[in-house]
Amino acid sequence: QSVLTQPPSASGTPGQRVIISCSGSSSNIGSNPVNWYQQLPGTAPKLLMYNIDQRPSGVPDRFSGSKSGTSASLAISGLQPEDEADYYCAAWDDGLDGRNVVFGGGTKLTV
Amino acid sequence: QVHLQESGPGLVKPSETLSLTCTVSGDSTSTSYWIWIRQPPGKGLEWIGYIYNNGKTNYGPSLENRVTISLDTSKNQLSLKVLSVTAADTAVYYCARGFSIDDWGQGTLVTVSS
Repeated sequence: QSVLTQPPSASGTPGQRVIISCSGSSSNIGSNPVNWYQQLPGTAPKLLMYNIDQRPSGVPDRFSGSKSGTSASLAISGLQPEDEADYYCAAWDDGLDGRNVVFGGGTKLTV
Repeated sequence: QVHLQESGPGLVKPSETLSLTCTVSGDSTSTSYWIWIRQPPGKGLEWIGYIYNNGKTNYGPSLENRVTISLDTSKNQLSLKVLSVTAADTAVYYCARGFSIDDWGQGTLVTVSS
């Protein structure tokens, strides 16, 4: 059971806009930046979005992030076939056992 | 451009110790956060823990009592030890770097089986 909650799947057709949600609590999303990772089949995850809405160099501006309270979202506009991947949200969590990163269970995006 | 490469045995027997090394190039391990994450086959990402450049460590609740993460800055290497492994520890193990987990190694599959 993941600490952050994501829908297990999402889908869209090329050109469409898809939104993936991520729900947490006050000790993680509510008080820390949210990051998103893209994992293409058979590869390691890659940082896709950091600090809620910042894109690392090379990430297309079709990807955008937002946060409200204890929830965050990743939006993908102009969906392309190569966007088919697993997407994970993550945030530092200020729990009783110290600071650790918590992940969502992942959302499998089908294009 | 930083590069991280995990290495270690791909097969470990139950009750034994899993030991992995992550060799870092393109950055110094004397800076930043250094992290281990694992992914059981067909499942999601699981946080193991981190070591900061001042030596501070923190471990996630799932492995907290069985895991040790350490840094050898002279070799620019990060290491992971997990004690008393079971089949549930079978996973791809990733080393990673940075507060935002900016960079990842390619991962190494460790299977726990007799």
